[in-house]
This record gives sequence, structure tokens and C-alpha cells, in this order.
Amino acid sequence: GESVGLHLPTLSVQEGDNSIINCAYSNSASDYFIWYKQESGKGPQFIIDIRSNMDKRQGQRVTVLLNKTVKHLSLQIAATQPGDSAVYFCAESNFGNEKLTFGTGTRLTIIP
Amino acid sequence: DGGITQSPKYLFRKEGQNVTLSCEQNLNHDAMYWYRQDPGQGLRLIYYSQIVNDFQKGDIAEGYSVSREKKESFPLTVTSAQKNPTAFYLCASSGLAGVSNEQYFGPGTRLTVT
Repeated sequence: GESVGLHLPTLSVQEGDNSIINCAYSNSASDYFIWYKQESGKGPQFIIDIRSNMDKRQGQRVTVLLNKTVKHLSLQIAATQPGDSAVYFCAESNFGNEKLTFGTGTRLTIIP
Repeated sequence: DGGITQSPKYLFRKEGQNVTLSCEQNLNHDAMYWYRQDPGQGLRLIYYSQIVNDFQKGDIAEGYSVSREKKESFPLTVTSAQKNPTAFYLCASSGLAGVSNEQYFGPGTRLTVT
């Protein structure tokens, strides 16, 4: 079946550096993508989303890039802080359908 | 405060007992969801409901049951038929499809069955 996956299960980044978390999706019909952040023992929190009619979207310290040609999504976090340490999930769906399909997640660790 | 509440945060049960996890939202969302998360894993959809008195099975519905009698409530029952019930359970809700697909999550319930 269709699924969303992540390239790397873990990522360690020096505090203050930028981090990039990648996600590959296989459902070419997906037109909506979300990034969530999950801290240990808590529910996921929305970070940023993007629709397929866009290639890039920026938030506060975060940027999501969408490459529909190769079905790839990335989350860039600028000037990482200790509070950015968490597991990051990408999810995809069709915008007219509430269901999301989640990837397995990437654990980001910020090194002081 | 608007949001989703799940209770309790930690739940312990003996094998063979049914247990019901609570999920309440005051966001006026139409859709609600239950996910299961195992250690180091992603979220897997158990059940979802798009409207009151209606719900659909997700990817791993076996051994679980739900009800949606009120818009704000979507309780999940983990039955004794669920072979590996120990997990972290997350409830979520979202607005109308086509308006926003963002799902808002509760804090989760960690269920341990021994």
C-alpha cells in the first residue's frame, strides 16, 4: 500500500546549526503534507503544512520544501535550539480527505 | 482553553480485561481519530469518525471498538481480543475536509497490560 517514510531514523545537530529532516512519500495522489513534532511522552504538535500547489513554505525558523517530481518533502529548522530535540513526523493526505498517513519519524537530537 | 483532553495519562490493566480510554474535544471539530504508537514507531490509525453516530475502521481496528454519540467525545475500548494492547494511545480531531486537514492531538494515554 501507499506509505510515507523517512530517510533517516536519527539525526544529531550542533546547537545553533541548521537541521534538515527528509521524508519520501509514495502516493502520487497526495496533495497535502504536514510536519509534526513530538516530544517524549506527549502528543504530536503541528509545525507546518504545505499543499501540492506550492514548492516552499516558511514559518518561524522552519521551512518546508516539496519536490513533487521525486516525491520528496523536507523540513529545515534554522538555528537549532535544545528545545528542538524531539521526534519529527511527516504525514500526507488528499486535501479533501481528513485521513493522514504518517511516516515512522526522525529523532532529532541537539548537541549543546 | 480549547483543545483535546485524554484521560487518564497512565492506565494499568490485567490481561483479559476490557478498558476504555477517554477523549474529549471542545474545538467543535467534526472528525476524530484514534492512533496507536509503539516505542520508536510512527502512528497507526485504529478508528476514525467524521460525524456523530458514524465511524470507520482504520488500519489496525481488530481488538478495538469505539462510539461517537456526541460530537465532542470519541471513547476507545481496548478489548481482551487485542493481543498486544500495551502502547501509547493518541486521540486527535480535525475540522472539515477541504478546509483544514491539520489534526490536533491530545496528550495521550499510556496503557500497560500485564
